[in-house]
Amino acid sequence: GQNIDQPTEMTATEGAIVQINCTYQTSGFNGLFWYQQHAGEAPTFLSYNVLDGLEEKGRFSSFLSRSKGYSYLLLKELQMKDSASYLCAVWGNNNDMRFGAGTRLTVKP
Amino acid sequence: SAVISQKPSRDICQRGTSLTIQCQVDSQVTMMFWYRQQPGQSLTLIATANQGSEATYESGFVIDKFPISRPNLTFSTLTVSNMSPEDSSIYLCSVEGQPAPNYGYTFGSGTRLTVV
Repeated sequence: GQNIDQPTEMTATEGAIVQINCTYQTSGFNGLFWYQQHAGEAPTFLSYNVLDGLEEKGRFSSFLSRSKGYSYLLLKELQMKDSASYLCAVWGNNNDMRFGAGTRLTVKP
Repeated sequence: SAVISQKPSRDICQRGTSLTIQCQVDSQVTMMFWYRQQPGQSLTLIATANQGSEATYESGFVIDKFPISRPNLTFSTLTVSNMSPEDSSIYLCSVEGQPAPNYGYTFGSGTRLTVV
């Protein structure tokens, strides 16, 4: 089977740092992606990890450990506009993208 | 990255009818993917559409219910057939960003379908 697990909801304060975790068990692995999805909109690409380690892109960073089947998305200096759902997705053997259920992040003043 | 035009953006349909959703990409792409996102849920892959061959459907989705066309490298349609209220969902098409896979998938704006 294939499982991609992430917390359902998280809340954080404006200006703070939040880490959203994702664990996965899939039949194939060619990379792990994070997407941001605001309510009523399509997902937009945030990051891609295929090798172990941390990828930093501005306020957002993503980490991958392939041996542990684990990734996290780190958001720094949170802004109100970061309130959204964050989707962890695994790119599998058939060039298809499978998504976790998403983490709904609420940023409070 | 590719730009996808998806239409209609929303529709309200009577049960038992069918709706065809169209996606037009501004560049040639090998594969197009169709997803469903039910309210408050994440995305579920329906099928992968390659030009010149039949679409590949995921478990739980069948061609009779969700026929797909892929007449060329820039266009695809998904039909939701014999609709029931359970088909109420957002349907999204997507393509690989370029260069793949570094930019993930690019999604159309989605079709919000309500079946009454």
